[in-house]
Amino acid sequence: QKEVEQNSGPLSVPEGAIASLNCTYSDRGSQSFFWYRQYSGKSPELIMSIYSNGDKEDGRFTAQLNKASQYVSLLIRDSQPSDSATYLCAVEGSSNTGKLIFGQGTTLQVKP
Amino acid sequence: DVKVTQSSRYLVKRTGEKVFLECVQDMDHENMFWYRQDPGLGLRLIYFSYDVKMKEKGDIPEGYSVSREKKERFSLILESASTNQTSMYLCAATRQLYQPQHFGDGTRLSIL
Repeated sequence: QKEVEQNSGPLSVPEGAIASLNCTYSDRGSQSFFWYRQYSGKSPELIMSIYSNGDKEDGRFTAQLNKASQYVSLLIRDSQPSDSATYLCAVEGSSNTGKLIFGQGTTLQVKP
Repeated sequence: DVKVTQSSRYLVKRTGEKVFLECVQDMDHENMFWYRQDPGLGLRLIYFSYDVKMKEKGDIPEGYSVSREKKERFSLILESASTNQTSMYLCAATRQLYQPQHFGDGTRLSIL
């Protein structure tokens, strides 16, 4: 069974700090990697996509991918209380079906 | 932006009823997905579809069926609702492989 692993948290950071969220995956042939944010009672919202090794920045968010280590991370700079949510890592595997495998999510708490 | 619309935000039904959950997308996306999300179990794929009249089983298809008569609409059917199908149901769409999935707002379904 292909898996995506995340630490469930909660990860607690003070306002203005950098939050670091991590994800590992088991399918070495995975091609596409996504981070979703989900507020309580709401649906997942895409915040980052990454396809190549290295860093990808979008505003306060940076996604990092290391395919050799099968590791993807999300950094949130200048964390705000509004960033408090569950962050889901999703990986599209090598089966060419379009299916995503989701991690269980990491709950982030940003304290004012 | 992609718009994925689910017909109901909240729905209450009785055991044994046949339940229809509707999902419509407006971006001519090929691929559509139905998930359920439960605390501690994460997102689980029920069914997905690559094209009109095509369907594939996901990880937990038992007790469900789907219909895709038009490209923009993907329906999830609970043939005979049971209390263990009480859950948040999420529909998602993606244009093609390796692209992110975009979610609807979700339907919180309660079976009494």
